[in-house]
Order: sequence, then structure tokens, then C-alpha cells
Amino acid sequence: KAGVTQTPRYLIKTRGQQVTLSCSPISGHRSVSWYQQTPGQGLQFLFEYFSETQRNKGNFPGRFSGRQFSNSRSEMNVSTLELGDSALYLCASSTTSGPYNEQFFGPGTRLTVL
Amino acid sequence: DAKTTQPNSMESNEEEPVHLPCNHSTISGTDYIHWYRQLPSQGPEYVIHGLTSNVNNRMASLAIAEDRKSSTLILHRATLRDAAVYYCILRDDGGATNKLIFGTGTLLAVQP
Repeated sequence: KAGVTQTPRYLIKTRGQQVTLSCSPISGHRSVSWYQQTPGQGLQFLFEYFSETQRNKGNFPGRFSGRQFSNSRSEMNVSTLELGDSALYLCASSTTSGPYNEQFFGPGTRLTVL
Repeated sequence: DAKTTQPNSMESNEEEPVHLPCNHSTISGTDYIHWYRQLPSQGPEYVIHGLTSNVNNRMASLAIAEDRKSSTLILHRATLRDAAVYYCILRDDGGATNKLIFGTGTLLAVQP
């Protein structure tokens, strides 16, 4: 069974640009969550989608947005990039929701903003 | 959101057991205790979870204190591949969400 895939793996952008990252969950998984990881703030929750609906959102500015398609693939978009958006962006998928299920993480997309 | 406290770092020797502690004194009755680990240059990986009883799986064991205010992840025989950051996370069933709140975790170094 293929794992969670994220594209692209590496990305370099300049300030003010926008970027779209993609995540393909494990087949059959309906929940996709996104996280940002930086050396200073660690792993922080961005948002979660389940069956095309955003179910939860972290404390990030409105420049960060996402969506989920009917095949459960998800994209996240960051507009008007800032230097501080440089980070590893991780997505995780799960079959359903609940406090007892495990989540499967992808390898991440490394975004560098110059 | 309930919080956890872990040591910043620990060291172990290869093929010896490792006990990684986690304190969660504000845990509620419905909080599950989860452990994830993140190997270098990879996304986090699920290790184990439990509610009240001790749990075992192929990767590790989870020992939960009787009052549930602390837990210990046990790696029975550490290998070099177990060198990673280990995160102890509490999850409750108060809402239908898969949100994980990561702390700073414990960086485990394994010496050959």
C-alpha cells in the first residue's frame, strides 16, 4: 500500500509570491491534516480536512488556506509569502477521526522563501 | 489542550532498553496517550497509544501510571535506527478531529 505522498519535495520561492503544496493520502483515508515545522516553533497544526470539509483550523493567518478534493487529495496554499514561512510542511492522513486512531505522515515539502 | 512534559534529550546504548518518560499531570479521563517519533529528515511516525492499561506492539511498550499522570515509552532493545525525536501527545474524544498538539519531544541518541 502506497504511503502518503507530497509534492513537490523541495520548493524555493521569493517574498510576495504564492505557493501551492499537494498531498495525496493513503488510499481509503478521508482525513488529511497539515502541519508546519520550523526550528523555532516546532510542529504546529495548520488545518484538517475530512470529506472535503475543513474540520479544524490552527492559529495561522488567513494567508494559509487549504482544500480537499472528492478523491481526498488535498492542497494547501500560502499567499504573499514571508521569510518566516520557510519551513517543512507535512501532511498526515487517517481513515477516520477519533482519539485512538493513528495518523500517517508524508515526507514533507521543504519550502524556502528568499 | 492538555500538555505533556518530556526531557529534552536522552542517551542510550545500542541493544539496551530505553525508558522515555512523559508527564501529563492535567490529563482528563477521556485523553488517550499517543507516542510518535520523527527520524531525521522524515515525517513523524506513529509508535503506540493507550488509555489506561499498558500496551505492547511490535515497536514498543507503553506503561501508564495508575493515576495516569505519567507514562513511559519502552524500547526493549534500542538500535541505531531508533535515534529520533519522540513525542508524547494527549488526544481526547471531545471532538471529531485528528489534530495533534506536538510538544518539543525527547531527542534520543543511541550510541553503538
